[in-house]
Amino acid sequence: AQSVTQLGSHVSVSEGALVLLRCNYSSSVPPYLFWYVQYPNQGLQLLLKYTSAATLVKGINDFEAEFKKSETSFHLTKPSAHMSDAAEYFCAVSGTYNQGGKLIFGQGTELSVKP
Amino acid sequence: DTGVSQDPRHKITKRGQNVTFRCDPISEHNRLYWYRQTLGQGPEFLTYFQNEAQLEKSRLLSDRFSAERPKGSFSTLEIQRTEQGDSAMYLCASSQRTSGPTDTQYFGPGTRLTVL
Repeated sequence: AQSVTQLGSHVSVSEGALVLLRCNYSSSVPPYLFWYVQYPNQGLQLLLKYTSAATLVKGINDFEAEFKKSETSFHLTKPSAHMSDAAEYFCAVSGTYNQGGKLIFGQGTELSVKP
Repeated sequence: DTGVSQDPRHKITKRGQNVTFRCDPISEHNRLYWYRQTLGQGPEFLTYFQNEAQLEKSRLLSDRFSAERPKGSFSTLEIQRTEQGDSAMYLCASSQRTSGPTDTQYFGPGTRLTVL
């Protein structure tokens, strides 16, 4: 079985500060990990994904995440927060395509950015 | 590539009524997924299709829920005898097999259902 835990349902940072959103996973098979962002009343947009090619994954809008197998973590970071980063962020895990590929999501972390 | 579209965007209905949602995936994407998202929660998997075949259904998908993808293109999700607990955002996603080990799902804007 697979699961995802996002630590902190709400994170607040100042504009220009480091963003760190935490995600820990549990998986009995090699995991594939994703970060999605959701703006109010919209669908989910993919930020980045880990598919075992490289442990440090770079995504859109200067976001990146590092896969740490020993810590079962896939934390999302951004060096400098912008006001436009305020949104809900979801970490998700899936199996391989042949296993169905369905995504198991965490409960989400709401990011607020203060001016 | 116009993205995944869903219709309607909002639906308000009375308890006991039937509702149907439509999802149009990205052209030529062979997989289509349905998820449900309640307030303050992450999306939960409901079901998925590969072409027209429904390959997996979650236990969340009670017998009041039915999904179809008749020609392997668009999909419909019907809820019969709606209950207040069905109030949620219903998200559709589509994907296409690539050379990698897993696919990337692209999400539509969702249909927000309110059951009064």
